[in-house]
Amino acid sequence: GAGVSQTPSNKVTEKGKYVELRCDPISGHTALYWYRQSLGQGPEFLIYFQGTGAADDSGLPNDRFFAVRPEGSVSTLKIQRTERGDSAVYLCASSLFGTSRYEQYFGPGTRLTVT
Amino acid sequence: GIQVEQSPPDLILQEGANSTLRCNFSDSVNNLQWFHQNPWGQLINLFYIPSGTKQNGRLSATTVATERYSLLYISSSQTTDSGVYFCAGSPTGTYKYIFGTGTRLKVLA
Repeated sequence: GAGVSQTPSNKVTEKGKYVELRCDPISGHTALYWYRQSLGQGPEFLIYFQGTGAADDSGLPNDRFFAVRPEGSVSTLKIQRTERGDSAVYLCASSLFGTSRYEQYFGPGTRLTVT
Repeated sequence: GIQVEQSPPDLILQEGANSTLRCNFSDSVNNLQWFHQNPWGQLINLFYIPSGTKQNGRLSATTVATERYSLLYISSSQTTDSGVYFCAGSPTGTYKYIFGTGTRLKVLA
């Protein structure tokens, strides 16, 4: 079946603008995760959803970042008043939940550049 | 928070050589995965291995949960094995992954 998809693949925006990044998880996966990867680093956790609710948002860097998953499938990561330091690749992952396996599957990422 | 240390940070091999990559955790983890990040940035699942040993073709992995480390073995390396290898684990009681800084592997023809 289809893997995790993310749109857009690339986003260039000006400092101060608002952006939305979209993630479509693998069908049937109830858990969805957002990570951010800066150049030369490993991915860093931002937030994870179990169903529609944010189960852990401890990785969101500040209140400019917000994510939703209103119907328990597609998720949108929203960044307000973007700053140059927000430039990174934003990765989405999904997994089954409530089973003995929590293997996460990653999408191709959205490369965000803030100019 | 939990620290994930990967070694070596960089590795250059001739095609056909074998290698061992190591991942140490500063505290216990529930879930553990190994990934290969290809040159296009895609994270490819290699193993989900919170404990025990698994093998898949030329790759195998072993996790010793009680000692908080995991090993990834690559045998008969190929140029297509080049890229960055990450391990990641979720601290006890959570499901978020903490990633290591990766091992950058280059396999020469």
